[in-house]
Amino acid sequence: QKEVEQDPGPLSVPEGAIVSLNCTYSNSAFQYFMWYRQYSRKGPELLMYTYSSGNKEDGRFTAQVDKSSKYISLFIRDSQPSDSATYLCAMKRSVSAGKSTFGDGTTLTVKP
Amino acid sequence: EAQVTQNPRYLITVTGKKLTVTCSQNMNHEYMSWYRQDPGLGLRQIYYSMNVEVTDKGDVPEGYKVSRKEKRNFPLILESPSPNQTSLYFCASSLDAGGETQYFGPGTRLLVL
Repeated sequence: QKEVEQDPGPLSVPEGAIVSLNCTYSNSAFQYFMWYRQYSRKGPELLMYTYSSGNKEDGRFTAQVDKSSKYISLFIRDSQPSDSATYLCAMKRSVSAGKSTFGDGTTLTVKP
Repeated sequence: EAQVTQNPRYLITVTGKKLTVTCSQNMNHEYMSWYRQDPGLGLRQIYYSMNVEVTDKGDVPEGYKVSRKEKRNFPLILESPSPNQTSLYFCASSLDAGGETQYFGPGTRLLVL
């Protein structure tokens, strides 16, 4: 069983929709959670990170962590065609840990 | 310009022929890491380095070697490549392991025949 499972997608939504991207994990040692965005033919870029349960907001993006359920989500409000990309969740044991484990990614398409 | 460079960007080789993919960063970052990306499998970490002469295994280190003799360079070595190492490889660096921003290189696409 993989340590990190990500909703596989692909996901296609109309512009303006609210998008929910989700990951579950089995290793309770994971304490630091990240979301990356990867455009086609590009390297990933860190979108958000959090290390506590609850919500963290950054503009149209909200990262949510529920450690009791071992479940993390990324919400995108008012989605735009420019949000079309593959989203990867990642996690590690602490903020200073060198080793990260990634989900398989969810490809999102936002249609105008 | 702050950047991570990888060379080569594309490589076709044959089974068993040793190869090295170079990675260099110009930001004086302590932390560097190698990942491979295969369709539908996200990113998988191969090796990482917390600083010069400090390296450790990621989730998929088998068949790979790394070295970190200088801060700026972190080459990935495939001593005897096999077809299952055909993949897209990314190098990344950040100020330290907890760095908020991890800079990724442009990727190296490797085909092993």
